[in-house]
Amino acid sequence: LAKTTQPISMDSYEGQEVNITCSHNNIATNDYITWYQQFPSQGPRFIIQGYKTKVTNEVASLFIPADRKSSTLSLPRVSLSDTAVYYCLVVGRGGGNKLTFGTGTQLKVEL
Amino acid sequence: GAGVSQSPSNKVTEKGKDVELRCDPISGHTALYWYRQSLGQGLEFLIYFQGNSAPDKSGLPSDRFSAERTGGSVSTLTIQRTQQEDSAVYLCASSKTGDPLRSEQFFGPGTRLTVL
Repeated sequence: LAKTTQPISMDSYEGQEVNITCSHNNIATNDYITWYQQFPSQGPRFIIQGYKTKVTNEVASLFIPADRKSSTLSLPRVSLSDTAVYYCLVVGRGGGNKLTFGTGTQLKVEL
Repeated sequence: GAGVSQSPSNKVTEKGKDVELRCDPISGHTALYWYRQSLGQGLEFLIYFQGNSAPDKSGLPSDRFSAERTGGSVSTLTIQRTQQEDSAVYLCASSKTGDPLRSEQFFGPGTRLTVL
């Protein structure tokens, strides 16, 4: 089972870099790591996806070490509008809990 | 359409009644997913469709839950004999391909179900 573990909450200030780490010790060879963002009363929105090393897009970076047992979502220079819940998703082919997002990390950004 | 739409946006029902929740995916998206999110909780996977078939029904919590998809488009999630523990936001998502490992999922706004 590709179970994920994330911090329940994080606080930051505008302009800071925020790093949210997700642990996924049971990740399988074919699994990808995907991060979603969810605002209150909205469905989640895709942020970034990766398999290994580093991936960067216009909103975030994703760092994945060689053993792939964890991953870190990096948000550069956060703003108030980045306050949301962030979910790490690792999907396993081998059993239950497929596509289970977990409880996510509540990020709160203040002035 | 421009995005995934769901109806109704809110549904209040009495315990024991049946409810139907509808999802209209993004046009051309072959895969469709249903999730449930209880208050303050993460998303719980229910079922996904590749075309009209459901290769993975492992998340359906009981036999009171069923889903179908017709014409590779609209999907309906049906909950029979609703219970209070069914109260949650039901989210639908669609993706271009049917590989849940890699596909970016586009979510609808959800249907908030309240069972009294």
